[in-house]
Amino acid sequence: GALVYQYPRRTICKSGTSMRMECQAVGFQATSVAWYRQSPQKTFELIALSTVNSAIKYEQNFTQEKFPISHPNLSFSSMTVLNAYLEDRGLYLCGARWGPNTEVFFGKGTRLTVV
Amino acid sequence: SQLAEENPWALSVHEGESVTVNCSYKTSITALQWYRQKSGEGPAQLILIRSNEREKRNGRLRATLDTSSQSSSLSITATRCEDTAVYFCATVNGGYKVVFGSGTRLLVSP
Repeated sequence: GALVYQYPRRTICKSGTSMRMECQAVGFQATSVAWYRQSPQKTFELIALSTVNSAIKYEQNFTQEKFPISHPNLSFSSMTVLNAYLEDRGLYLCGARWGPNTEVFFGKGTRLTVV
Repeated sequence: SQLAEENPWALSVHEGESVTVNCSYKTSITALQWYRQKSGEGPAQLILIRSNEREKRNGRLRATLDTSSQSSSLSITATRCEDTAVYFCATVNGGYKVVFGSGTRLLVSP
């Protein structure tokens, strides 16, 4: 079956430092990977969408300079949170799919705590 | 403002009862998805209903879609304690982008 592994599951970083999270698709080709953030008591904010053969598209309020993303092949993506501060804490999720309008498979998320 | 919105914000039922969560959205869609997120986990898709479909079932789950009123519902029959979760609707508009609502918190108690 199709699965998405995301790691680390939890991370704690000091304010002003950076952390990287990774997403691995198994059982299907992840032609599209979306990264979301779920802040405490909030819904999923789309950070950026990476689609094969297209530029990575960032949503308003999110930038490549702050959240650089790599999507080098059809099974892997990574995102870094640079200079993390308190407002960056939350659950970061990657969702991968093989085609438009198809099911999105989510990883279990990386919970970021900033101290 | 949210492009998709579930209501109510929270629900509490007893095991065995049926429950319905509603979703309204503001954009044109090619599909609408219902997700469930249990505590400490990522969301899991329950049902994907395309814009040319009016109803879809998955076991105890039934989703409806009314594109004229831009609304959808998710019904769960014979609820179980393990159905306790946050339920999200998410819209898809012709491509890869998925936009989530803010979720309905469902508590199923024994």
